[in-house]
Amino acid sequence: SYELTQPPSVSVSPGQTARITCSGDALPDQYAYWYHQKPGQAPVMLIYKDSERPSGIPERFSGSTSGTIVTLTISGVQAEDEADYYCQSADSSGTYPVFGGGTKLTVL
Amino acid sequence: QVQLVQSGAEVKKPGASVRVSCKASTNTFTNYYMHWVRQAPGHGLEWMGIINPNGGSTNYAQKFQGRVSMTRDTSTSTVYMELSSLRSEDTAMYYCARDLEMATTRPRHAFDIWGQGTMVIVSS
Repeated sequence: SYELTQPPSVSVSPGQTARITCSGDALPDQYAYWYHQKPGQAPVMLIYKDSERPSGIPERFSGSTSGTIVTLTISGVQAEDEADYYCQSADSSGTYPVFGGGTKLTVL
Repeated sequence: QVQLVQSGAEVKKPGASVRVSCKASTNTFTNYYMHWVRQAPGHGLEWMGIINPNGGSTNYAQKFQGRVSMTRDTSTSTVYMELSSLRSEDTAMYYCARDLEMATTRPRHAFDIWGQGTMVIVSS
């Protein structure tokens, strides 16, 4: 089955830039989406269609893509950004959504 | 802004079935596909399936084929997910989530609005 691979953890100091990668063979053909999830809460969409931001999401969150790797960049990280981050896309047919394993972002 | 409100926590014995509901706060319920996603404690997100509220057609993840059923009631703007033959590995938070695209085209298979989650515990 199709898989998306994320690093298990990323650590960054406040004010620095955090980058979380996600790799998958079908990413050149399918859009990527990013969510964050804080403890005890439902996931929240941060990025859709590789690099678009839903209304209400701060500009410090951005998405980019390069071949089989997509990247979520968080500029000027704040303590409140500490959360689990998930990438999501679809298999090559576009029929079945797939999530990455998640990345725990720690703000030092 | 539409909200999705799910039913309360459930405790079930192995072999039983559970039905979780998800009610939309607006009457545009039939305009969007709805998904179910689950998350076992300490684990990541797992897609279970999708339902088109406008017609009721479904598509399930292979893992759950034969054990899951998704239905809808347009009169109450509610979708349901029923999972049968429960086992301990089904202990998880179950979320409904709205598709990014309207149901007049192919689903985007991305999730812009989520319910608050329903915890299902399977234990003897």
